[in-house]
Amino acid sequence: DAGITQSPRHKVTETGTPVTLRCHQTENHRYMYWYRQDPGHGLRLIHYSYGVKDTDKGEVSDGYSVSRSKTEDFLLTLESATSSQTSVYFCAISESFSTDTQYFGPGTRLTVL
Amino acid sequence: KQEVTQIPAALSVPEGENLVLNCSFTDSAIYNLQWFRQDPGKGLTSLLLIQSSQREQTSGRLNASLDKSSGRSTLYIAASQPGDSATYLCAVSGNQFYFGTGTSLTVIP
Repeated sequence: DAGITQSPRHKVTETGTPVTLRCHQTENHRYMYWYRQDPGHGLRLIHYSYGVKDTDKGEVSDGYSVSRSKTEDFLLTLESATSSQTSVYFCAISESFSTDTQYFGPGTRLTVL
Repeated sequence: KQEVTQIPAALSVPEGENLVLNCSFTDSAIYNLQWFRQDPGKGLTSLLLIQSSQREQTSGRLNASLDKSSGRSTLYIAASQPGDSATYLCAVSGNQFYFGTGTSLTVIP
């Protein structure tokens, strides 16, 4: 298995509070991604990174920000969490954007009350 | 916007049966198509990756085909086993990544 960890694995928070999720890789892959998975919607891309300090928006980026200060870490921040952001969040990594397999982390279950 | 559809949403088969899972997409301008497996409460595991220039890929009992012009891919599972029970997702890569909602497969012993 690819070396990808996510923390925390579970979190319950209240509306309006800031939340940061962390993804850590030991594979030295260039690309890192954040997805959310919701019933009926499948996985949707939130943001991705193609290098340190290089990020771009995905399909559902509103309400989320990301940062990548080191190759191995990719942070997802909800500045002010809302109930609509209750979801399971997955991090993924790949060597390239278009030609290589994506490897997924175990996921973080976030509940916003 | 790319739309990825997987039909059926759920499938139940007896052990030993061969089966086909379907994936369709609306925009043929893709780099590749990937099939994943997801077990309950777990992350996704990559099964097969087909580049846009390829027609099929095989791994053990799994065979995936790609017809880019018609916007279709199939995942063929031979001699199904109870351990194959999981949700199978397809994803296409273009300027973004788009996933289908998956087919939940149950293989009955």
